[in-house]
Amino acid sequence: AQKVTQAQTEISVVEKEDVTLDCVYETRDTTYYLFWYKQPPSGELVFLIRRNSFDEQNEISGRYSWNFQKSTSSFNFTITASQVVDSAVYFCALSERNYGGSQGNLIFGKGTKLSVKP
Amino acid sequence: GAVVSQHPSWVICKSGTSVKIECRSLDFQATTMFWYRQFPKQSLMLMATSNEGSKATYEQGVEKDKFLINHASLTLSTLTVTSAHPEDSSFYICSATQAVAKNIQYFGAGTRLSVL
Repeated sequence: AQKVTQAQTEISVVEKEDVTLDCVYETRDTTYYLFWYKQPPSGELVFLIRRNSFDEQNEISGRYSWNFQKSTSSFNFTITASQVVDSAVYFCALSERNYGGSQGNLIFGKGTKLSVKP
Repeated sequence: GAVVSQHPSWVICKSGTSVKIECRSLDFQATTMFWYRQFPKQSLMLMATSNEGSKATYEQGVEKDKFLINHASLTLSTLTVTSAHPEDSSFYICSATQAVAKNIQYFGAGTRLSVL
């Protein structure tokens, strides 16, 4: 069964602090994709990153970085020098390869609400 | 690129009426569109998946006759909540994928439905 666990329900930090959002997944498939989405108060989900199961290289994009470790089934997201605009709910999601169709469905974690205070 | 527009963003309706929500891919052709429902402070729950020109595939527990989905073109899908009741009040979000990157879903801004 596929499952995504985001154990941190809410995190509160002060601006300029670094913060890591945890994501642990379960899947039986050897080919899968992991995602992070940001949902600001406006409601729209913003795509941040996609990582396939064969690429374990960490990725950095500005203040954002992602640490993918298959050995621990984790795909953690770190925001460096957080800003108030980073305040949002962040969702980790898993997509398995869909053998019959064009793509697999997204299985979302429950999300982590990040509050960055000035 | 990859912009998804959802309309309306907010709707209030009386119990028993029907509400139609539109989801459009503005700058790409959407091979597949998805409809989600999100309760306050909760994750997204997939309701159905639709491919252009074919019937939507509904998730278990989602009433097909209550939530009508039409995907008439490669850029438009609609969700109609029929005979709405207060328990249908929720945040509905659509997403779309394009042929180039099939498993990246781009999301609309969502529709907040309040049924009185």
